[in-house]
Amino acid sequence: DAKTTQPPSMDCAEGRAANLPCNHSTISGNEYVYWYRQIHSQGPQYIIHGLKNNETNEMASLIITEDRKSSTLILPHATLRDTAVYYCIVAGNNRKLIWGLGTSLAVNP
Amino acid sequence: DAGVIQSPRHEVTEMGQEVTLRCKPISGHNSLFWYRQTMMRGLELLIYFNNNVPIDDSGMPEDRFSAKMPNASFSTLKIQPSEPRDSAVYFCASSLVGGNEQFFGPGTRLTVL
Repeated sequence: DAKTTQPPSMDCAEGRAANLPCNHSTISGNEYVYWYRQIHSQGPQYIIHGLKNNETNEMASLIITEDRKSSTLILPHATLRDTAVYYCIVAGNNRKLIWGLGTSLAVNP
Repeated sequence: DAGVIQSPRHEVTEMGQEVTLRCKPISGHNSLFWYRQTMMRGLELLIYFNNNVPIDDSGMPEDRFSAKMPNASFSTLKIQPSEPRDSAVYFCASSLVGGNEQFFGPGTRLTVL
C-alpha cells in the first residue's frame, strides 16, 4: 500500500503557481520523498526528491515540513503542458517506489 | 540519448497465447524495473533487477509471469498463458543502482481478448 495521501484532483490557472500537497505521516527517518508526474499516455517522469531539506531544480521546488510528515510540490509558473497526474512517493534506500493514485492537475488557460 | 526503448508499443492477442514484452534500458544504467498500470490498480512494480540479477519479484502476480535480463542491455517480460485480466500498459524503467531518478520507457499497451 502507498504510504502517501494526495488530493485526487486540483486546478490551477496558467501562469500561476501550482501547490500540490502530500501527506506521509508514517515516513521513516531514512526514507526520501519523490515526486513524479505522468502526462497522458506517456511514461512517468521524475521531477524532484528530498530527504529533509527543501529542494529546487529547473522543474519545481519541494518543501518538506520540519517533522517530515508532509510536503508540497510547487510548480512556480504552471503552463498547459504541466497538466498531468502528479505522484508523491516515499521510498527507502532500495529506491523501491510504491505508487498511489496521485493528484490529477489541470492547468487552465 | 535514445532513452528506454520498449517493444512492441501495442500488442493485441488472444487468451491463452504467449506474450513477450521487450525492454532496452539506457546505456550505462544497471537497474531495471518492470511496472504494470491499470485503471483499477494504478502503477504497480512487478520486478526489478540490479546488475542483471532479480532483486525483488514480489510484485509478479503469478507463475504465468516471468522476467529475464540476460545482459545489461536487454530484458523481457513474458506472460504464458495470457488472460484478459492481464490487459494493461506495461512500463520498463532504468536507473543507476541506488540512483534517485528512474527513466521510464513509453510503455507497451497489451490487450488480451
